[in-house]
Amino acid sequence: ETGVTQTPRHLVMGMTNKKSLKCEQHLGHNAMYWYKQSAKKPLELMFVYNFKEQTENNSVPSRFSPECPNSSHLFLHLHTLQPEDSALYLCASSQDSAGGAGELFFGEGSRLTVL
Amino acid sequence: GQNIDQPTEMTATEGAIVQINCTYQTSGFNGLFWYQQHAGEAPTFLSYNVLDGLEEKGRFSSFLSRSKGYSYLLLKELQMKDSASYLCAVVDSNYQLIWGAGTKLIIKP
Repeated sequence: ETGVTQTPRHLVMGMTNKKSLKCEQHLGHNAMYWYKQSAKKPLELMFVYNFKEQTENNSVPSRFSPECPNSSHLFLHLHTLQPEDSALYLCASSQDSAGGAGELFFGEGSRLTVL
Repeated sequence: GQNIDQPTEMTATEGAIVQINCTYQTSGFNGLFWYQQHAGEAPTFLSYNVLDGLEEKGRFSSFLSRSKGYSYLLLKELQMKDSASYLCAVVDSNYQLIWGAGTKLIIKP
């Protein structure tokens, strides 16, 4: 059992649908992250939130919209996605986002398939 | 550009030893992580090296040479449960994490 929980674990959506991914961390951490993991590719950092404030947006298309209502919850709102957006979306948390020098705690991911 | 290289896939035998290499070219260096990821599960932290040398933790050890831009993860007395992907990640001068694509390790009986 991890301290970071993601729902749903699997999601299939059409290109015109709107859906959201949810992440919750029970570790008391101040930083939360969204990563995209595609087969045989390095993890791609999408968004970073530190104390609920977005500190990084790695040129992610606007069809991905993050929301961080508090330090424990993170959402990724999805709309008008493309088939190439199909991937595993991982949420992670760390004590703070003082760079990548801190250990990351990951959720098990949401497997997204866009038809 | 910044780059992390690690083998795509390796196969080893139960009970044996395997070494997974990671070479990096990054703008600065502030540490190197190894994570383990079983299929369908979350990546979990294995080790962090910031100084040269070998760090041992049970059956797993991690080595770093900053001058060579090189690290390896050594797994001893392999068990079937060690079948997983192993991710190498470097902290650059801006404290950004640069990830390798991961090495899938297959353990055979």
